[in-house]
Amino acid sequence: DIQMTQSPSSLSASVGDRITITCRASQTIGKFLNWYQQKPGKAPRLLISAASTLQSGVPSRFSGSGSGTDFTLTISSLQPEDFATYYCQQSNTITYTFGQGTKLEIK
Amino acid sequence: EVQLVESGGGLVQPGGSLRLSCAASAFTFSNHHMSWIRQAPGKGLEWVSAITDNSAGTYYADSVKGRFTVSRDNSKNTLFLQMSSLRAEDTAIYYCARQPSAVAGTYDFWGQGTLVAVSS
Repeated sequence: DIQMTQSPSSLSASVGDRITITCRASQTIGKFLNWYQQKPGKAPRLLISAASTLQSGVPSRFSGSGSGTDFTLTISSLQPEDFATYYCQQSNTITYTFGQGTKLEIK
Repeated sequence: EVQLVESGGGLVQPGGSLRLSCAASAFTFSNHHMSWIRQAPGKGLEWVSAITDNSAGTYYADSVKGRFTVSRDNSKNTLFLQMSSLRAEDTAIYYCARQPSAVAGTYDFWGQGTLVAVSS
């Protein structure tokens, strides 16, 4: 199975900060990489598919990049509603493994 | 509005069985591959199983293979997960999720989840 490793596991930041979360795949996955946001008690929400395609309704402060094995999610200016846990997920090969998550907390 | 509503979760003893359902509405269910994804309490997301739009293909994580069976009834817009030989480590919230048309392994809509607790 392809392993997905996110870093950091947790991150403290302030409103207005720019943050980046990294996701690394154990083997090349092209651009088959998705990012999800999950808030406590809620289902995950798809933010970005195919490494960089922003989903409808997702603010433009979110962006994704990368290909092969290394990917990043960037939030350009954190808003209060962005504090949540973020997961990457590879969609190249079934089983579609997730990263362990990055918890973004308010500093 | 697209909706996925899971049901069937509950408390079950180790070795027991449970059948989860996911009722879909406001989209053409038969056009979409579907999956089950779970989340143990306080843990991350784990992909569990997938089924193609016409049930021709079914897929499972190694952790559930041989114990879980995914199926669907397109006439009733419903997805199922039959779980047997349940173990404590199967305790989790189980989400059903929709794959966008022709986009494998990506989930654009999720249900609210149903909790399965395996304990004696």
